[in-house]
Amino acid sequence: EIVLTQSPGTLSLSPGEGATLSCRASQSFSSNFLAWYQQKPGQAPRLLIYGSSSRATGVPDRFSGSASGTDFTLTISRLEPEDFAVYYCQQYGNSPRLTFGGGTKVEI
Amino acid sequence: QVQLQLWGAGLLRPSETLSLTCAVSGGSISHYYWTWIRQPPGKGLQWIGEINHSGSTNNNPSLKSRVTISVDMSKNHFSLNLRSVTAADSAVYYCARATVTAYSYSGLDVWGQGATVTVSS
Repeated sequence: EIVLTQSPGTLSLSPGEGATLSCRASQSFSSNFLAWYQQKPGQAPRLLIYGSSSRATGVPDRFSGSASGTDFTLTISRLEPEDFAVYYCQQYGNSPRLTFGGGTKVEI
Repeated sequence: QVQLQLWGAGLLRPSETLSLTCAVSGGSISHYYWTWIRQPPGKGLQWIGEINHSGSTNNNPSLKSRVTISVDMSKNHFSLNLRSVTAADSAVYYCARATVTAYSYSGLDVWGQGATVTVSS
């Protein structure tokens, strides 16, 4: 079973600052099968990144993703007020077929 | 654009069966993977299972054999049944869509609005 460990649990930042969110996998898998989501209170998650580094439709270019071995990173270059939310990484294809990381909360 | 509309009973008693349906509008149910996810209050996201257009399913082993996911191509919707619910099954339930090939995964790019399910005696 692949376990995704996200760090830090909480990131306290100010608008305009950059954010680096980490997602570490317990085993290696294809970076094509890693996605990132943003979730705001009371809302369904929103797809940000798929294939580790491809932005979903309509996602601003201040969001970027990268992969290195079992380490995956979501970077937000300059935080806007609407970016304060919880972020999840997610893998697909291993057993169990789909798993999420525990989430990183980006707060002001 | 494609939208997912989720409906089903919101309040259940222990041992009952949770039944939710997710209707796909603005597009076909074919050629995609349709997923159920839940989120207990104040917690993270948990994958329940998925079904593809041909009816092939995969479920989370942690839910053992309590889960049944089905698809109705004629009605363009898919459904979740979760048997023998307990308070631990109380959560917001989501349906979502993904495109999967042997070499790529689109992510869960369309989500339903979520449905709150409470299990209480």
